[in-house]
Amino acid sequence: GENVEQHPSTLSVQEGDSAVIKCTYSDSASNYFPWYKQELGKRPQLIIDIRSNVGEKKDQRIAVTLNKTAKHFSLHITETQPEDSAVYFCAASREDKIIFGKGTRLHILP
Amino acid sequence: EAQVTQNPRYLITVTGKKLTVTCSQNMNHEYMSWYRQDPGLGLRQIYYSMNVEVTDKGDVPEGYKVSRKEKRNFPLILESPSPNQTSLYFCASSPIRGQGVGYTFGSGTRLTVV
Repeated sequence: GENVEQHPSTLSVQEGDSAVIKCTYSDSASNYFPWYKQELGKRPQLIIDIRSNVGEKKDQRIAVTLNKTAKHFSLHITETQPEDSAVYFCAASREDKIIFGKGTRLHILP
Repeated sequence: EAQVTQNPRYLITVTGKKLTVTCSQNMNHEYMSWYRQDPGLGLRQIYYSMNVEVTDKGDVPEGYKVSRKEKRNFPLILESPSPNQTSLYFCASSPIRGQGVGYTFGSGTRLTVV
């Protein structure tokens, strides 16, 4: 069946460095790719998204890239800060279904 | 304030005792969905609803029921809870039918079945 693979499951980066999280998807009908951030004990919240007709999107320190041919997309966080520590989920969506990756726990080291 | 409201936030119950977790959204969203979140397994979809009186199974529907009699409400029903349903549950809604566009999640319900 369709699935979304997310790597790594855990990532530790020094404060100020960049973090990259990668996802691959299997359903070629997927056309919308959101990223969610979940802080400890809180709900997932949408932080950035990209549609299949766009290759890259940026919002301040966060960017997402999409390679439809290879079926993978990535989240890039630059100049990481302590408040970036959280679990990040990617997802791939088509008309009637959204599938989430298993999540990446990001630790920002002082 | 636009939001998805889930109740209760925490619930401890015994095996076999029927329970309902409520979910309500005030954004006139068509699409609503229930997820469970377990360590290492991420978010798994239980049921979803494309509109009033239209519901369908997600990836892990066994042991759960839902109903969508009104657009704003989408309760999750566990007829006979079992310990393997101990989990963190999230309700979510989206304005656009069938996609995760603008998914808003509720605050979550932590359920323990003993």
